[in-house]
Amino acid sequence: IIMTQSPANLSVSPGDTATLSCRASQDVSRHLAWYQQRPGQAPRLLIYSASVRAPGLPPRFSGSGSGTEFTLTITSLQSEDIADYFCQHYYNWPPYTFGQGTKLEIK
Amino acid sequence: EVQLMESGGGLVQPGGALRLSCTASGFTFNNYVMAWVRQAPGRGPEWVASITGTEGRTYYADSVQGRFHISRDDAQNTLWLQMNSVRDDDTAVYYCAKPRLELQYLWHFDLWGRGTLVTVSS
Repeated sequence: IIMTQSPANLSVSPGDTATLSCRASQDVSRHLAWYQQRPGQAPRLLIYSASVRAPGLPPRFSGSGSGTEFTLTITSLQSEDIADYFCQHYYNWPPYTFGQGTKLEIK
Repeated sequence: EVQLMESGGGLVQPGGALRLSCTASGFTFNNYVMAWVRQAPGRGPEWVASITGTEGRTYYADSVQGRFHISRDDAQNTLWLQMNSVRDDDTAVYYCAKPRLELQYLWHFDLWGRGTLVTVSS
């Protein structure tokens, strides 16, 4: 299963909303996770089961979608949100593939 | 403290071998299917291999099948990745990762180490 993320780069003003997309080449139901990777750090799990926030994640991060189309929405954008964001499917059997990422920048 | 710590990365020549280690703490290591995930420069993460607790059943990505070997010692809370016949495209940061759930499959990872860099170059 190939995961395709768009856009590759996204520039958003502080306080605005960022919308990141992830498309699966096959139906993955809701077996979809989102990760945040800040520069020089390991990925951090943000969202699983397409829309469930990981413990401690602020509600301005939200996930939606099912099947082949998924979205990560970040509202009230802050400087600490500068990072790369990756989606990963975990449907059925391995390999559980990741997308190539969206680089989020602040204007 | 719940953490994973990798070691063993470095510079290796094409065709050579390297052994990575990961030490876990703060959770019941044996209960989880542990994984290695790598990330080449400027690329998304790539799952490499996983191994179940107790039975030690292994799973590999096609890109490393037959060259890499994953193993674990639950008494020592340690995970290893033996990398043989390495190639230029094995150059990456290698992360040890724990899945969120104690399941045979459906792995998505809620704990990552800081990673260890492997550079394949002559």
